Amino acid sequence: GAGVSQSPSNKVTEKGKDVELRCDPISGHTALYWYRQSLGQGLEFLIYFQGNSAPDKSGLPSDRFSAERTGGSVSTLTIQRTQQEDSAVYLCASSLGGNSGTGGNTIYFGEGSWLTVV
Amino acid sequence: GQQLNQSPQSMFIQEGEDVSMNCTSSSIFNTWLWYKQDPGEGPVLLIALYKAGELTSNGRLTAQFGITRKDSFLNISASIPSDVGIYFCAGRRAGNMLTFGGGTRLMVKP
Repeated sequence: GAGVSQSPSNKVTEKGKDVELRCDPISGHTALYWYRQSLGQGLEFLIYFQGNSAPDKSGLPSDRFSAERTGGSVSTLTIQRTQQEDSAVYLCASSLGGNSGTGGNTIYFGEGSWLTVV
Repeated sequence: GQQLNQSPQSMFIQEGEDVSMNCTSSSIFNTWLWYKQDPGEGPVLLIALYKAGELTSNGRLTAQFGITRKDSFLNISASIPSDVGIYFCAGRRAGNMLTFGGGTRLMVKP
């Protein structure tokens, strides 16, 4: 697609339920990132996928959070047993990847999935 | 991940005024990026800087990659109401990982 696509754009869920958030990166982008943004706050890194390498999960806040990327393209972020503090915008981004050159450095964000846990 | 120190956290200025914000870190970065986020949208890239000392402009925006590679600033000249939003700096170290600043919320009074 033309840009990074995320779904759902809005999700209201009850505390304790599981949620799945989907990200379709830009076609051909090998690097994919998930960030979390609480209301009025900055961007908190969650997880990073680069090609076939093992993902960098260092930002995941607890074991209730997990993410996978199938076939090097679409990614799903799963939050199990949601808590109210999980309410935030979850932003996905992608880039061409690689460790040098301008192409790998430009990352493009989706519009985010707004999660509200009640 | 490690946060960059971005300041100021917020600014409320008069239309037509110039704006300056900066990011600092104790670590060296290979790349500095500046993003703007409008309400309800994802961040959009404004300027990318790839070399220490580099000064780059994009219309009324000017950004510089600090000589020490530990800081960067963004200037906006002659602000207009549509400049309102949250501005984020981001730095990249080896390994393609981006670290973001906490954001500067800009409000412009017409």
